[in-house]
Amino acid sequence: EVQLVESGGGLVQPGGSLRLSCAASGFTFSHYWMSWVRQAPGKGLEWVANIKQDGSKKYYGDSVKGRFTISRDNAKNSLYLQMNRLRAEDTAVYYCARVSRLWYFDLWGRGTLVTVSS
Amino acid sequence: SYVLTQPPSVSVAPGKTARISCGGNSIGSKSVHWYQQKPGQAPVLLIYYDSDRPSGIPERFSGSNSGNTATLTISRVEAGDEADYYCQVWNSSIDHVVFGGGTKLTVL
Repeated sequence: EVQLVESGGGLVQPGGSLRLSCAASGFTFSHYWMSWVRQAPGKGLEWVANIKQDGSKKYYGDSVKGRFTISRDNAKNSLYLQMNRLRAEDTAVYYCARVSRLWYFDLWGRGTLVTVSS
Repeated sequence: SYVLTQPPSVSVAPGKTARISCGGNSIGSKSVHWYQQKPGQAPVLLIYYDSDRPSGIPERFSGSNSGNTATLTISRVEAGDEADYYCQVWNSSIDHVVFGGGTKLTVL
């Protein structure tokens, strides 16, 4: 089955760090750009970051640039998001998404909730 | 930065046609993609490259894009179409993905 499964979310204090993971299956992971998209409670979708197939190019949204790092391990069919210096406004469901034919998202995971609170 | 503007809400009676707009500066020169998100679920790709439908998406869903407005049209609206709808483009000038603010479709 073609799917993306996120993990690693949870409660973290402001200023803390968290690493999200996304396990891909059912397709050739190394052939695709991948992304993280988030959604704050009751709010709309916000793009977070993209990474090229070989990891050589990475793009970030303005609100996370310098604090978040996207990475991947094609041998493990996995995508990651390292989140540092977390703020309350980073509280959201984080979705892993596959990029198709530049630039739309044709496959989404179910998301993992990150809550930043003291 | 590039901004996509959607109406916060649209209401339509069952069996009628709903139109959801997505406004942006010269959006007609960009490729627009649409997603449907039902409560508690992940988004689902609905329309890509302005008017193409992924397999499994009913023909009732269609898209158009010209000038400063892209439009998602839902014909013969059903109760199950009640959801949030988002438009999306790629801003190539700064290598950013941009989402519209989303439109909540209510079926009366």
